[in-house]
Amino acid sequence: GNSVTQMEGPVTLSEEAFLTINCTYTATGYPSLFWYVQYPGEGLQLLLKATKADDKGSNKGFEATYRKETTSFHLEKGSVQVSDSAVYFCALSLSNDYKLSFGAGTTVTVRA
Amino acid sequence: GAVVSQHPSRVICKSGTSVKIECRSLDFQATTMFWYRQFPKQSLMLMATSNEGSKATYEQGVEKDKFLINHASLTLSTLTVTSAHPEDSSFYICSASRSGEQYFGPGTRLTVT
Repeated sequence: GNSVTQMEGPVTLSEEAFLTINCTYTATGYPSLFWYVQYPGEGLQLLLKATKADDKGSNKGFEATYRKETTSFHLEKGSVQVSDSAVYFCALSLSNDYKLSFGAGTTVTVRA
Repeated sequence: GAVVSQHPSRVICKSGTSVKIECRSLDFQATTMFWYRQFPKQSLMLMATSNEGSKATYEQGVEKDKFLINHASLTLSTLTVTSAHPEDSSFYICSASRSGEQYFGPGTRLTVT
């Protein structure tokens, strides 16, 4: 079946630190990969996505590259801000049904 | 654009009663909506896929008679938790699909006492 494994948190960082959240996946076929973010008190929002191998998704200073050889989609940001404090979810879907399979979520707290 | 709302945001009910949760796409039409359940510090688990004008498709292990889903219009899907029990207490999240992308509601916190 399809599954997503992501780094467990919580992660606490200082402002301007480098952030990496690891995500690996198992899937039948060729999935699309996503990172969603959930800010306190809000619904999930799409942060970035990649639909095929070697694609790089980027948004708000975050990046992730679809690595087929390592079945990974690690999220990175070079310099985090307090406003990046949120829960981050890695997810995949197969294009035929658009159902999403989520990782467990990683809580990130950035301190000033 | 692509805003999804849920109502209520929080609900407390007594064991044995039923609770209805609404999911609305406010500025677009969604032929497909999804219902998820999220346990504390755990991931979202897909419960069912709701298709406008037809029966919902439930994931394995989800009781269709307990979690009734109705997608009566292109902007509204409802989830009714029937004869709720404390183990049904959870965070329920819906999403609406547009152009292959899912847009999520803010979630509903259900507590069954």
